[in-house]
Amino acid sequence: DAKTTQPTSMDCAEGRAANLPCNHSTISGNEYVYWYRQIHSQGPQYIIHGLKNNETNEMASLIITEDRKSSTLILPHATLRDTAVYYCIVRVLHNAGNMLTFGGGTRLMVKP
Amino acid sequence: SAVISQKPSRDICQRGTSLTIQCQVDSQVTMMFWYRQQPGQSLTLIATANQGSEATYESGFVIDKFPISRPNLTFSTLTVSNMSPEDSSIYLCSATPNSGNTIYFGEGSWLTVV
Repeated sequence: DAKTTQPTSMDCAEGRAANLPCNHSTISGNEYVYWYRQIHSQGPQYIIHGLKNNETNEMASLIITEDRKSSTLILPHATLRDTAVYYCIVRVLHNAGNMLTFGGGTRLMVKP
Repeated sequence: SAVISQKPSRDICQRGTSLTIQCQVDSQVTMMFWYRQQPGQSLTLIATANQGSEATYESGFVIDKFPISRPNLTFSTLTVSNMSPEDSSIYLCSATPNSGNTIYFGEGSWLTVV
């Protein structure tokens, strides 16, 4: 699976949009972009995933560039409870057998 | 989605002992995985738990130290054998439901070895 590069940490003001970037310049055509987050003391929580189209769900939006070499996770109105480590992972989907390979992630701190 | 329950959620263990962690999923799943997260670190895959056969281990992890069972489609166990303080970590179970390709995680089992 392709590797990803994320900033180590970011701050965001409560109520503002949090934009978390991820570079995946070696992504292959059949690799999806997945985002998870891990709030302290909990297991990773699935957020969203996409292939090439932008995606939105109740938690976040995922914007993938046209060349698919980078993406941005957007939390539209960050709250204190969104403080967590956010992981961007690229993964091939076949037979659901591909495990997730975690990098260092971005530690997002939402401040009052 | 899938709800994944792990037991114990937390334990303090004596050096040299072994502990078995249980993972129960609320629906049938195709794949189950075990991860380790050492203090301050990211997650590292230990192995893929295969139903009815031996687990597939990642580099650096061996069956004698981390025996894994998966007797059916919804249950798996991970044993941490002959523990040392270096085994103090969060151990996480994850699974992919039959209905999709997204991987979900349990809440983890926090082990402290003293």
